[in-house]
Amino acid sequence: DAGVTQSPTHLIKTRGQQVTLRCSPKSGHDTVSWYQQALGQGPQFIFQYYEEEERQRGNFPDRFSGHQFPNYSSELNVNALLLGDSALYLCASTQLGQPGGYTFGSGTRLTIV
Amino acid sequence: TQLLEQSPQFLSIQEGENLTVYCNSSSVFSSLQWYRQEPGEGPVLLVTVVTGGEVKKLKRLTFQFGDARKDSSLHITAAQPGDTGLYLCAGARGSQGNLIFGKGTKLSVKP
Repeated sequence: DAGVTQSPTHLIKTRGQQVTLRCSPKSGHDTVSWYQQALGQGPQFIFQYYEEEERQRGNFPDRFSGHQFPNYSSELNVNALLLGDSALYLCASTQLGQPGGYTFGSGTRLTIV
Repeated sequence: TQLLEQSPQFLSIQEGENLTVYCNSSSVFSSLQWYRQEPGEGPVLLVTVVTGGEVKKLKRLTFQFGDARKDSSLHITAAQPGDTGLYLCAGARGSQGNLIFGKGTKLSVKP
């Protein structure tokens, strides 16, 4: 049973560029959340998608946007990249309405130069 | 503003010692979760506590949720090198609400 799959694992971009990160949730899960984890910090909530719509959003600017597809997979897009966007981006999935925690992917390490 | 404060931030102990990690907040959470994260990996869920005063045991790990559902602790008995990692607590408000994480406790257990 595959868990949460994220791609790519590592990415280097320059300031001002745009990036798309991808996530496939765990089988049976329908809800996907994205988190940003800066070095030495805990993960910070970006947003959550359910039924192809943004259900909740954290305190992140509009440069951060997302999408969920009918197969429950998701993308995180970041425009006009800043040096401060360098972080580990984590995707987590769950099944809405079911008790329990989230299953996290291994993340995408994004470095902005 | 850090809603969840974890302490200590770093902990280095010898194999066989006991330790306790704390997670404190001024906010009430509907549930609190503990995760362990290893370098280059995502957090892995250890336990979810829901009821105030609840105690859960997972082998050598004991988790407690405060009576007021604002704080939690993780106690490890006879720590082993395999326990090394970043321990994160995360609070949730509501069912499948977004998780609010603490900064984590980085544990190193030396053989």
